[in-house]
Amino acid sequence: DAGVIQSPRHEVTEMGQEVTLRCKPISGHDYLFWYRQTMMRGLELLIYFNNNVPIDDSGMPEDRFSAKMPNASFSTLKIQPSEPRDSAVYFCASSPGQGGYTFGSGTRLTVV
Amino acid sequence: DAKTTQPTSMDCAEGRAANLPCNHSTISGNEYVYWYRQIHSQGPQYIIHGLKNNETNEMASLIITEDRKSSTLILPHATLRDTAVYYCIVRARGSSNTGKLIFGQGTTLQVKP
Repeated sequence: DAGVIQSPRHEVTEMGQEVTLRCKPISGHDYLFWYRQTMMRGLELLIYFNNNVPIDDSGMPEDRFSAKMPNASFSTLKIQPSEPRDSAVYFCASSPGQGGYTFGSGTRLTVV
Repeated sequence: DAKTTQPTSMDCAEGRAANLPCNHSTISGNEYVYWYRQIHSQGPQYIIHGLKNNETNEMASLIITEDRKSSTLILPHATLRDTAVYYCIVRARGSSNTGKLIFGQGTTLQVKP
């Protein structure tokens, strides 16, 4: 298994632009999670899905952030419009529900 | 989910055992103790988890006190590659499990030659 796959690995964009981050979870995992990591705030859970349905989005910072999971093998996190304070590493993780999570390698987002 | 307390940082000599403590005095009966680590610039990596019995796998051992208010992660023979931030997390499981894993600040373990 290739693990959780995230793309792109790095993204540099200008303030105000739309940014889309992508995630392919491990096949058979029913849960998918989006996290954000910064030096100041550490690892923050943004949203998670169970069987493609959003369960808890209380960590999404504001309406500029949205996440979708159109099928079991794909999810996106979109920021529109992006701001410099959105600069962070964004991780996607998946889990079968029991045991541990598997994290992707992350997307490093820089908004200038 | 119960809150955990970990030391901010620890050092360990290469080849020696690394013992990382975690306090979780408000843990509930249905909450498990999970350990993850994050090596610089990588995603967090699952290490081990347990409920009340001690657990061991190929990576580490987890010792949970009888009252379950604290635990210790043991890396039996630490190597330089074990230098990372180690997170102790308590999380409920069961049919109503929400699946959320909330990370604290963790312990930065520095393994020195």
